[in-house]
Amino acid sequence: ELKVEQNPLFLSMQEGKNYTIYCNYSTTSDRLYWYRQDPGKSLESLFVLLSNGAVKQEGRLMASLDTKARLSTLHITAAVHDLSATYFCAVLYNFNKFYFGSGTKLNVKP
Amino acid sequence: KAGVTQTPRYLIKTRGQQVTLSCSPISGHRSVSWYQQTPGQGLQFLFEYFSETQRNKGNFPGRFSGRQFSNSRSEMNVSTLELGDSALYLCASSGTGGNGSPLHFGNGTRLTVT
Repeated sequence: ELKVEQNPLFLSMQEGKNYTIYCNYSTTSDRLYWYRQDPGKSLESLFVLLSNGAVKQEGRLMASLDTKARLSTLHITAAVHDLSATYFCAVLYNFNKFYFGSGTKLNVKP
Repeated sequence: KAGVTQTPRYLIKTRGQQVTLSCSPISGHRSVSWYQQTPGQGLQFLFEYFSETQRNKGNFPGRFSGRQFSNSRSEMNVSTLELGDSALYLCASSGTGGNGSPLHFGNGTRLTVT
């Protein structure tokens, strides 16, 4: 069965700092997704990465995909408090069956 | 465009009872998926329906079942509830499914089993 591992699971950082969340998966796939979840809320789609080398950026977040290494990264630049949330990566493996990572709970301290 | 709507938002049930959760996808979306979210297990795939057919099923016992209607609305049923079924149940829809479109999630149904 496909395994998706995220690290770190918890991340506490100061505003203005940069950091990267890593997402490794165990089986070949070229479809990788990033979601954000605020406390008590549902999941919001952030990025869709559909090919090797894909890079997407939105504001202070940038996601990339290396299908050969089975690795995706979510890079946070100059973090702000509003980015505090839990971030999930998900791999599409079969039809519409997504495998999610455990999530990275990000806390950006003012 | 209205998003994915799940009802009810909260449910409290007793062990042994059964429960039905409802999901209305985004208009035009034909794929509906269900996920269970718990602090310990994270997000786990339950099943996915497309045009009233179940295309994929996760590793959950047969007590968990679902169906999809001709208007793409979906229901999920859990029979003989157990304490461990307490979770947030999320429904998600997408266009045709499997073509790279992201899932659009509803706000979920919080089920508490006592």
